[in-house]
Amino acid sequence: KNEVEQSPQNLTAQEGEFITINCSYSVGISALHWLQQHPGGGIVSLFMLSSGKKKHGRLIATINIQEKHSSLHITASHPRDSAVYICAAPTGAGSYQLTFGKGTKLSVIP
Amino acid sequence: DSGVTQTPKHLITATGQRVTLRCSPRSGDLSVYWYQQSLDQGLQFLIQYYNGEERAKGNILERFSAQQFPDLHSELNLSSLELGDSALYFCASRAGWGGELFFGEGSRLTVL
Repeated sequence: KNEVEQSPQNLTAQEGEFITINCSYSVGISALHWLQQHPGGGIVSLFMLSSGKKKHGRLIATINIQEKHSSLHITASHPRDSAVYICAAPTGAGSYQLTFGKGTKLSVIP
Repeated sequence: DSGVTQTPKHLITATGQRVTLRCSPRSGDLSVYWYQQSLDQGLQFLIQYYNGEERAKGNILERFSAQQFPDLHSELNLSSLELGDSALYFCASRAGWGGELFFGEGSRLTVL
């Protein structure tokens, strides 16, 4: 089964800072998901990526399939970015089930 | 709004009771997934249905069961509830086997 590790577990940043959250996994995969969970509990899918880089507003996700590593970057962070960010990878090669990381809790202070 | 609807949003019940959580997937999505998120653990996959048929099982207890109906909505039944069953239960849907997942807002179950 794929092991999905995220770092850091907790992150506090000042408003405006550039933020990086890392995710590594143990089994080769075809695509990786980044999710955002707000304090209210709801989960939003941010990115699904299989290679290179994707950008949406101030969020950028990158993946290196060979190194089994992905990063989520937030530029010009804002207090409304405060949330838990979760990466998820297929449970195994060719699997459609996901194994989730434990999440990174981000707090952005004004 | 993801298009996935879950009810109820909150539920408080007692040990030994039985509850049913309901999920309506996005229009046209055939795959429905159920996940459990407890305080000390991350998201755990419970079960998947595809077009009415069970397709994959994860860490789902025998006291739990689910089904997907012809109109594609799904229900998760939790019985003989224990304190440890208190958690957020999420439903997610996607069009097929792969692709982006769309999550509902979750059902928060508290067992007293």
